[in-house]
Amino acid sequence: DSGVTQTPKHLITATGQRVTLRCSPRSGDLSVYWYQQSLDQGLQFLIQYYNGEERAKGNILERFSAQQFPDLHSELNLSSLELGDSALYFCASSAGQATYEQYFGPGTRLTVT
Amino acid sequence: AQTVTQSQPEMSVQEAETVTLSCTYDTSENNYYLFWYKQPPSRQMILVIRQEAYKQQNATENRFSVNFQKAAKSFSLKISDSQLGDTAMYFCAFMKGAASGTYKYIFGTGTRLKVLA
Repeated sequence: DSGVTQTPKHLITATGQRVTLRCSPRSGDLSVYWYQQSLDQGLQFLIQYYNGEERAKGNILERFSAQQFPDLHSELNLSSLELGDSALYFCASSAGQATYEQYFGPGTRLTVT
Repeated sequence: AQTVTQSQPEMSVQEAETVTLSCTYDTSENNYYLFWYKQPPSRQMILVIRQEAYKQQNATENRFSVNFQKAAKSFSLKISDSQLGDTAMYFCAFMKGAASGTYKYIFGTGTRLKVLA
């Protein structure tokens, strides 16, 4: 158990809908990262937050947005969902900007039908 | 831009044998970090081993060790005494050093390892 929690574990929704994925980092970790893993592929970096502020962005679609709240949990919002958004979404956390080791949550499997 | 290449999509090894997974990367950075993550069928991402580029000594964690060749930009993972529980997808990951201001991982496409009984 990495100490990073993600909810829900599974999510099935229809095209055009909007969903919110939630992540709670390990206790004391200030940085949160979101990654997308499509079927049998590597993980693609989406976005990073550090202590409530956006720090880095990857190839995140405009339909996707994220935020980190004062209690350090983070939410990834996916809107106008398309079939191609079906994937495993991982959240990871690390202690701070100078800490390079990331701990991954169990992921949220999103299925868009 | 940094890239990470894992040229072996699938590998298999007999239980108790040794296997080496390859990873090469491309970067102009001098300070960076490299990782191997394991993803078993449960899909959980588990850190196997890490290497700091400024360290010449190869990292070792129990049965897992790396061969880090900085000049060649190569970072292979050796698994000794393979066990059935090592069956998983293995991802190589790169991260730029702290001075870059960002800490995202760049992952390779993975190597699916099957340990045979």
